[in-house]
Order: sequence, then C-alpha cells, then structure tokens
Amino acid sequence: QKEVEQNSGPLSVPEGAIASLNCTYSDRGSQSFFWYRQYSGKSPELIMFIYSNGDKEDGRFTAQLNKASQYVSLLIRDSQPSDSATYLCAVRYSGGGADGLTFGKGTHLIIQP
Amino acid sequence: EAQVTQNPRYLITVTGKKLTVTCSQNMNHEYMSWYRQDPGLGLRQIYYSMNVEVTDKGDVPEGYKVSRKEKRNFPLILESPSPNQTSLYFCASRNRGAGVGGETQYFGPGTRLLVL
Repeated sequence: QKEVEQNSGPLSVPEGAIASLNCTYSDRGSQSFFWYRQYSGKSPELIMFIYSNGDKEDGRFTAQLNKASQYVSLLIRDSQPSDSATYLCAVRYSGGGADGLTFGKGTHLIIQP
Repeated sequence: EAQVTQNPRYLITVTGKKLTVTCSQNMNHEYMSWYRQDPGLGLRQIYYSMNVEVTDKGDVPEGYKVSRKEKRNFPLILESPSPNQTSLYFCASRNRGAGVGGETQYFGPGTRLLVL
C-alpha cells in the first residue's frame, strides 16, 4: 500500500513568518513529488514539483526533498493571509498508472494577520 | 484559455438513476484522470486514460465507468449511483512526459454530487 502522510493541522502561522509543511511517503521507488494548494471548494493548483534531493526555490516557496528519509517539505516565506489554504502533497510512484499520483490528505494552513 | 471543464458543477440525484459527468480539456493532453475527494480521505483516483480508447482503473473504480472516444473528452458514468458516491469529483489532465509541461496536472473546477 503506497501511502503519503501529512499532518492534517490546522497549522497556524503569523503573517510574515515561515510556514513549514511536511510530508512522508512509503515507497522508496517514488520518482516525483508535488505540492498542490487547494482553497476551500476549489480545485487543486500545482505550486511546485521536485525530482532530486535538495532544495528547489520558486519565489516565496521552497520545496525540500530527502529521499533517504522519504521526506518532502514545503516552506513558505513571508506568509500572507492569501496563503491560507489546504496544501496537498502528492507522490508519483514508478510503475503507476497514467498519473500514478497518490495524494496525502492535506495540511490546513492558517495565516494569522 | 487553457482549461479543463466539467459539467454539471452541482448535481443532486436519487439512488439508481444513471448519470454522466462530462469532462473536456482544450490542451490536447494525452493523460486524463478522474478523482473523488472526501473529508478525511483526501483525493483518490477513480479511473485514468493514457490516450483515446485506453483506460484503466485507479484506486477506487467500483461503481464507475469511463470512456475515451475522443482525446479531449473523458466522461465519468455512474450507472446506478448510491449514497456512498456522494462526493466532490475532479477531472484532471496533463501532457505526456516529464518536465514542466508534462508534470503540470490541470484540474477541472469540480462537480459536487449528492446521491439521496
């Protein structure tokens, strides 16, 4: 059973601070890792993807991957109230279907003004 | 505008009455999928299609059917809906291959279904 685990939260962070979201996955054969943002009642929106160990930065967002620890994280710097949403971690497993994407249940992030 | 469209957006129906949720994408994507999202269970893949006339089961296919007769369309069919199929449904598409163009999966706006 391929699993992706996230703390459901809510994670409450003051405006301007760094929000840190974490995800672990079960299958060492995993190839690609994604972070999606989902506002209440809306569809998921891709924020970042990462393939290789280390950090990948895009604006205020940094994805971190540690394959040895089977751990993926997302850092949001200078958090804004508009960052309040549910963040979904997704993992693409080797040999999966058209997507082979398995999603975590999401972490609810609240940015306090 | 590049997009995935779904219809209807909201649907209330009764047990056993066949329904179809349509999905269409205008990006010439090869891969399309259907997901359902339920509180506490997250997003789960129902069916996927890698190309026209090529479909396969995802993680929760029971009670659903799909077809892919055209590249742009991927309808989800519930032959005999039951209350446990009450959920939020998303269609998604992406291009083949890795890289920025391939990895970006585009989701439709969602269809909220209530089966009484």
